Amino acid sequence: EVQLLESGGGLVQPGGSLRLSCAASGFDFSSYAMNWVREAPGKGLEWVSAISASGGSAYYADSVKGRFTFSRDNSKNTLYLQMNSLRAEDTAVYYCAKDRFRGSYAGPHDHWGQGTLVTVSS
Amino acid sequence: DIQMTQSPSSLSASVGDRVTITCQASQDISDDLNWYQQKPGKAPKLLIYDASNLETGVPSRFSGSGSGTDFAFTISDLQPEDIATYYCQQYANLPTFGPGTKVNIK
Repeated sequence: EVQLLESGGGLVQPGGSLRLSCAASGFDFSSYAMNWVREAPGKGLEWVSAISASGGSAYYADSVKGRFTFSRDNSKNTLYLQMNSLRAEDTAVYYCAKDRFRGSYAGPHDHWGQGTLVTVSS
Repeated sequence: DIQMTQSPSSLSASVGDRVTITCQASQDISDDLNWYQQKPGKAPKLLIYDASNLETGVPSRFSGSGSGTDFAFTISDLQPEDIATYYCQQYANLPTFGPGTKVNIK
């Protein structure tokens, strides 16, 4: 059974940093691209970032480019999202999500974690 | 960036009704279009991928169609458990979601 478990959310001041993690199990982790998607309170879904299966390439939404860094450790089946220069508008539940197809990136997301809440406030 | 619009933003229908949601892309995305269901407090769930392919385990009352810029998502026999917000998502370029359609039971 595919499982994705996010952690690392919490309260941080504007301008601060936070690192989210997502532990994966139940599938061949190193063969699939992975994603982060967020949901701000009362708002819709926003794709944030994707990383290739090898970790060699990462892609970002314009809203986080230059501030967020997506990485993965295939030996630990774990994803990381380093978030710097955080703003109030980054407040959201952050989900990690698995791509459905091997070898693609940022394609259909067939499994999702339960999400972790990030609150940016003074 | 490719922009996605959805219509309507919300709807109310009766159990057993046929419900259709439309999604339009700002440019041609071929069939690189997915549909998700999200219930309050839960993670989204993939229902349809590549415009018309039903995800494994998803009831056959859900269906999708379209290509290019215009797409449709249909629930053929609305059930109480279908109360949720539905999102389209394109992935022809970096992914973007539509604003969502909230479905309620009348």
